Amino acid sequence: AQSVTQPDIHITVSEGASLELRCNYSYGATPYLFWYVQSPGQGLQLLLKYFSGDTLVQGIKGFEAEFKRSQSSFNLRKPSVHWSDAAEYFCAVLYGSNYKLTFGKGTLLTVNP
Amino acid sequence: DSGVTQTPKHLITATGQRVTLRCSPRSGDLSVYWYQQSLDQGLQFLIQYYNGEERAKGNILERFSAQQFPDLHSELNLSSLELGDSALYFCASSQRSQPGEQYFGPGTRLTVT
Repeated sequence: AQSVTQPDIHITVSEGASLELRCNYSYGATPYLFWYVQSPGQGLQLLLKYFSGDTLVQGIKGFEAEFKRSQSSFNLRKPSVHWSDAAEYFCAVLYGSNYKLTFGKGTLLTVNP
Repeated sequence: DSGVTQTPKHLITATGQRVTLRCSPRSGDLSVYWYQQSLDQGLQFLIQYYNGEERAKGNILERFSAQQFPDLHSELNLSSLELGDSALYFCASSQRSQPGEQYFGPGTRLTVT
């Protein structure tokens, strides 16, 4: 069964510092990969997606992610974090013939001033 | 604002009761998905409808049912409620029967007492 692992439950960074959130997915056919962000009390917002092609994808709010097939990873990065980035981040995977989005457990990001 | 609306925002009810959660997808989206978010289970896919027909099923209990109406809005019915059903219920929509980008509503927080 497809699965997604986000190894870090909680990460704290200082404002202006760089950020990398890790995501690993279970092996299978080429997956569709997503990162979503959830602010407190809000729904999920799509940050970026990978379907095929260039393995470095750009998203909204200055985020990017890199698909590495050899490592089954899709890590999310941002060069300089802003206080407004504090939220919970979810990696999700979807395989071509499967309609279900499978989410990781999420990584809670705290940003210190 | 994703364009997906959900009502009500909050719902408090007693064990054994039945509730209905409502979702209106983005304009033009034919697919509707329901997810449950709880602290212990994380984000779990429940069920998907496409243009009125059930398309995929996830971890949906037999006490739960859903439908999508001709105007494409969807309802999730939860019956014989238990304390463990307390969670955030999200609706999402997408344009095609094959899920790509899913746009999430703000959620309905259900509390069962």
